[in-house]
This record gives sequence, structure tokens and C-alpha cells, in this order.
Amino acid sequence: KAGVTQTPRYLIKTRGQQVTLSCSPISGHRSVSWYQQTPGQGLQFLFEYFSETQRNKGNFPGRFSGRQFSNSRSEMNVSTLELGDSALYLCASSPGQLEGNYEQYFGPGTRLTVT
Amino acid sequence: AQSVSQHNHHVILSEAASLELGCNYSYGGTVNLFWYVQYPGQHLQLLLKYFSGDPLVKGIKGFEAEFIKSKFSFNLRKPSVQWSDTAEYFCAVKKYGGNKLVFGAGTILRVKS
Repeated sequence: KAGVTQTPRYLIKTRGQQVTLSCSPISGHRSVSWYQQTPGQGLQFLFEYFSETQRNKGNFPGRFSGRQFSNSRSEMNVSTLELGDSALYLCASSPGQLEGNYEQYFGPGTRLTVT
Repeated sequence: AQSVSQHNHHVILSEAASLELGCNYSYGGTVNLFWYVQYPGQHLQLLLKYFSGDPLVKGIKGFEAEFIKSKFSFNLRKPSVQWSDTAEYFCAVKKYGGNKLVFGAGTILRVKS
């Protein structure tokens, strides 16, 4: 099975701009979670989508949003970029059922640099 | 709120030394526990996981971890490290019935050859 893929792998944006990142989960996985990784804050949960619905959300401002399509692919959007949004954005997929024991599989990430 | 503590941020070992990385979490309910590894320039990979049953779990590359429920701990061990184990190691916890991983701050391991 192909792993989790994320595009683009690298992005450079200017403050005030917006950005859209894409994630394709492992085939058959219906849950997609997004995490932000920075040297200062570590890995922090952004949100999770399951069957096109946001099922859980972390403590990030409303500038961070996402969506999931019927094929389980997901996008996250960051509007009005700030310098502090520079980070590695990781996508993880899992089968999605809440009951049961499943691990999450991570993609390679999108490295976003805001200048 | 859930939190995960990793005791050491940087660890330097010589090859063949034994490794133990500490991880403690704060959550009283049923949890799933994970150790992920991030090699330089690579993405997060699952090293091992604990769901239930035998509290001593074995993962890839000779790593193992022990879940001690009374101590809320899930420490990672390897009897003899190799230079190729140089990486950052993350402990993560998920409430059973949820899909949100809470990560520790990570431990950067450098193995000297």
C-alpha cells in the first residue's frame, strides 16, 4: 500500500498570504489528522477529519481550517500567514473508527516558511 | 488536559551503550501509547505501540517499551544502541476512543561511533 502523501513538500510564502496544503491518506483510511511541528512547541494537534466532518480540533486560531473530500483526501488552509506559522505540517491517517486500537501513519510533511 | 513528559531532551551515547528514554503521561483513563522516531530528514515512523495485554512491548530495530500503569509511564529501552539510532524520539498518548495524539517534547539521541 502506498503511504500517506503530502503536497507540496516545501513552500515559501509572505506574511499576509494564505496557503493550502494537501494530504492523501493511505487507501481505505477514512480519518485524517493534521499536526504542526515547530522547534519551540513540538508536535501539536490541529484537527481531525473523518467522513468529511471535523471530529476534533486543537487550540489553534480560526485562521487554520481544513476540509476533507469524499475520497478522504484532506486539505488544510492557513489564512493571513504570520511568521510564527513557519513549521512542518504533518498529516496522519488511520482507519478512523474510534473504538478499537489503531495507530496513525504519518506523511513526510510540508515545510512552510513564512517570510 | 492530557500531557506527556519526556525526561531528557538530549541524550548522547556511545555505540553499544544501553538506552532508556523516560515518558510519563497524565490521563487516568484507558490510553493507547506509542513511540515514534524521526530520523534526520525522514518522516515520523512508528517504533512501537501499546494497546493492551502484555505491558512489555517489542518494536522494530530491537526497541522495547514497558507500560507501568501505576506510574503512568511508558519508557523506551534498547540494550545496545547503534550509530544508526541517531534520531529524535517522541512518546505519544491517545485516549482510547479518540483519535488525537498528544506528543511529548521529544528526545534527541546522538550515538557516537
